[in-house]
Amino acid sequence: ILNVEQSPQSLHVQEGDSTNFTCSFPSSNFYALHWYRWETAKSPEALFVMTLNGDEKKKGRISATLNTKEGYSYLYIKGSQPEDSATYLCAFLNDYKLSFGAGTTVTVRA
Amino acid sequence: GAGVSQSPSNKVTEKGKDVELRCDPISGHTALYWYRQSLGQGLEFLIYFQGNSAPDKSGLPSDRFSAERTGGSVSTLTIQRTQQEDSAVYLCASSYSGPGSEAFFGQGTRLTVV
Repeated sequence: ILNVEQSPQSLHVQEGDSTNFTCSFPSSNFYALHWYRWETAKSPEALFVMTLNGDEKKKGRISATLNTKEGYSYLYIKGSQPEDSATYLCAFLNDYKLSFGAGTTVTVRA
Repeated sequence: GAGVSQSPSNKVTEKGKDVELRCDPISGHTALYWYRQSLGQGLEFLIYFQGNSAPDKSGLPSDRFSAERTGGSVSTLTIQRTQQEDSAVYLCASSYSGPGSEAFFGQGTRLTVV
């Protein structure tokens, strides 16, 4: 069983504020680390796929970093907006199996 | 189709009945995953296919669950003698093989066992 852990489980952030949360994963046999956004009543959609230690990816106000040696990734949301409210899932790809964390649910308050 | 298609979108069944859930992956995607989300829980891995082969069935909760994939395309997840604890949203995802490939998810099948 591959332990992919995300923290915090949920957070509330005021509109306009920035926030970040973490994903930890096994540091051995690393293939890739994925981030997905899962909005209510929709399917998860990929934000980032990161494969190299030190990778930093950015999409608009959302960015992610990766440390494969210590087994963690951060997701950052800058200037949070109500449309950022969602559950953010990270997933660890080991060989072939994509194992998901339980997610961090972000609620942006207007 | 352009995306991953799952059917039915909703299924209500009586306890003890068998159900079959279908997933049509994106054309050309060799990897196919089944997950489920029970109420208040995260995504639980069920099974993975590479082509028609399932190298990892370890996530299937019991021998009432089975899955197959034919022609490297459509997959069906069958649950026999359904129980109330099988109620969940069943999600299918597909991707190209390789570490840089993101997974694309279907809309899911919401299964309710009454």
